[in-house]
Amino acid sequence: SQQGEEDPQALSIQEGENATMNCSYKTSINNLQWYRQNSGRGLVHLILIRSNEREKHSGRLRVTLDTSKKSSSLLITASRAADTASYFCATDASGNTPLVFGKGTRLSVIA
Amino acid sequence: GAVVSQHPSRVICKSGTSVKIECRSLDFQATTMFWYRQFPKQSLMLMATSNEGSKATYEQGVEKDKFLINHASLTLSTLTVTSAHPEDSSFYICSASAVFGNQPQHFGDGTRLSIL
Repeated sequence: SQQGEEDPQALSIQEGENATMNCSYKTSINNLQWYRQNSGRGLVHLILIRSNEREKHSGRLRVTLDTSKKSSSLLITASRAADTASYFCATDASGNTPLVFGKGTRLSVIA
Repeated sequence: GAVVSQHPSRVICKSGTSVKIECRSLDFQATTMFWYRQFPKQSLMLMATSNEGSKATYEQGVEKDKFLINHASLTLSTLTVTSAHPEDSSFYICSASAVFGNQPQHFGDGTRLSIL
């Protein structure tokens, strides 16, 4: 069953603006990961944040994790048209276990 | 970085045909691979966990006789959709993890299966 819930489901912004996507989950996690998916393609791994971490950066991406609220956010700064894609959060409970995906946020960046 | 290759990328075939999809980890060994299914504009749903050298573990509601999984080596898992019907049309994606725990899973590019 789905564990993660992203919001918003869809987000449309102008190029150069920041995009923030949120993810909530229900049970304890080991890691939380964010993935990107272009239409009809596979998933590209963006960032993995461990349950004992609170914030992580990678280029224009910033991920936060609040385990007390069971939530995470993905911030994309200075967005580009090429950032247009669906973004999913995924959690795993422990070890080499399957990921449970949220419903995803469809981001459209308008040039 | 770790690469997972999935083949074929697209299959169009007649109802009743069996279709085999391969998932390979190209530069690492994966004792466990995962198979997901994705309908249009929806998220990924786990179908089964493929374990090298043992039987796959299927999620509730997934027919093991319909979706045959073989994980014969540390770099290859195959999913065979047997006697496919139009309702099996979907996007199938595999993933693999290189090291047990705390490593990102790497995904193949997916296979779009269309059954006529």
